[in-house]
Amino acid sequence: NAGVMQNPRHLVRRRGQEARLRCSPMKGHSHVYWYRQLPEEGLKFMVYLQKENIIDESGMPKERFSAEFPKEGPSILRIQQVVRGDSAAYFCASSPRPLSTVPYEQYFGPGTRLTVT
Amino acid sequence: KQEVTQIPAALSVPEGENLVLNCSFTDSAIYNLQWFRQDPGKGLTSLLLIQSSQREQTSGRLNASLDKSSGRSTLYIAASQPGDSATYLCAVVNRDDKIIFGKGTRLHILP
Repeated sequence: NAGVMQNPRHLVRRRGQEARLRCSPMKGHSHVYWYRQLPEEGLKFMVYLQKENIIDESGMPKERFSAEFPKEGPSILRIQQVVRGDSAAYFCASSPRPLSTVPYEQYFGPGTRLTVT
Repeated sequence: KQEVTQIPAALSVPEGENLVLNCSFTDSAIYNLQWFRQDPGKGLTSLLLIQSSQREQTSGRLNASLDKSSGRSTLYIAASQPGDSATYLCAVVNRDDKIIFGKGTRLHILP
């Protein structure tokens, strides 16, 4: 069972372009979480999705950011019209059940490092 | 709103010393608390997980304690080694299924 996979691992975009970050959860996991880590900062929650549904997007910027987790395929974090301030590491995590249920399980991917030039 | 604070932000100690990293959180209604290690430019490695009903967990040279009522956790590293140099992140899982991270402590072990 492969771990959580994210691609690309590194992504360079010019200001104004679109960035698409992909996350493939572990097999059997239907819960996906996206986090952003700005330089010298801890990880900040962005969005929680469960197959085809957005459960909590309270950490997502109101504009330019969107996330989906379709029935088939990976979860996608999409950033439109990127700006330099979007440069960060974006981590995805998956779990087989809600985090507050027993037993607790959550696994993190290696992250995608986005650089906006 | 849950906030997680880690002190100190950075720490340098000579090899062989024992050390303590601190983490505090404002809302004691947590489900669990985790300590992670992050190497530069890398992902997260889970070190220790403490359920809200537990007081401590141990793994090798690492020991983490949890005092939920006072909103504090400590990570104790015994006999530090240069390979322990990394950023250590504390994170709590809230009852609303969110993980809230601290900003981390950057640890540098001097050979």
